[in-house]
Amino acid sequence: QQQVKQSPQSLIVQKGGISIINCAYENTAFDYFPWYQQFPGKGPALLIAIRPDVSEKKEGRFTISFNKSAKQFSLHIMDSQPGDSATYFCAASSQGGSEKLVFGKGTKLTVNP
Amino acid sequence: EAQVTQNPRYLITVTGKKLTVTCSQNMNHEYMSWYRQDPGLGLRQIYYSMNVEVTDKGDVPEGYKVSRKEKRNFPLILESPSPNQTSLYFCATRGYSTDTQYFGPGTRLTVL
Repeated sequence: QQQVKQSPQSLIVQKGGISIINCAYENTAFDYFPWYQQFPGKGPALLIAIRPDVSEKKEGRFTISFNKSAKQFSLHIMDSQPGDSATYFCAASSQGGSEKLVFGKGTKLTVNP
Repeated sequence: EAQVTQNPRYLITVTGKKLTVTCSQNMNHEYMSWYRQDPGLGLRQIYYSMNVEVTDKGDVPEGYKVSRKEKRNFPLILESPSPNQTSLYFCATRGYSTDTQYFGPGTRLTVL
């Protein structure tokens, strides 16, 4: 049973465009929603994260939008750059006394120059 | 410098030969986890540890063992590796007061 569904699997955008990656979850106990960025040959690195008490969080060109009622959250990358080309993973956890983190299957983003 | 180190980085072995992948962190983090990453499946949690001597199963624990005798180390043990354990393995750590997990550089394991 996949607890976090991520789409699309791959995404190609032009430099300067907006990249949008979507995730949906099922477990209403989830209370922490991070996005990780992974470059080839490297471990994932935290990009941005949100808790359900806010509907949006912005850090530079990266924004998380969160819809609690729909159980969906998305990552928006504004003014996408070739250096943003990487694989992006959404994840979710319920951190009350647990360290279980569930990941989506990932989105490979390619930003063409 | 804050670091999560894994050894070895690459390993090719044969079915049934016991192996250990080490993970060490210098951030005094309480929480440590092991994940495996497979194409099309994303990252799946194998085991996690909330502190010394406290470990619990993740989503895919079969065929793996862990131990947490010291706060800084969290080795992953494959007692009898099989080809379906060929994968890219990541260790991750997190401090009690932060939400951020820090991942190691990964260990690519091939079981023939």
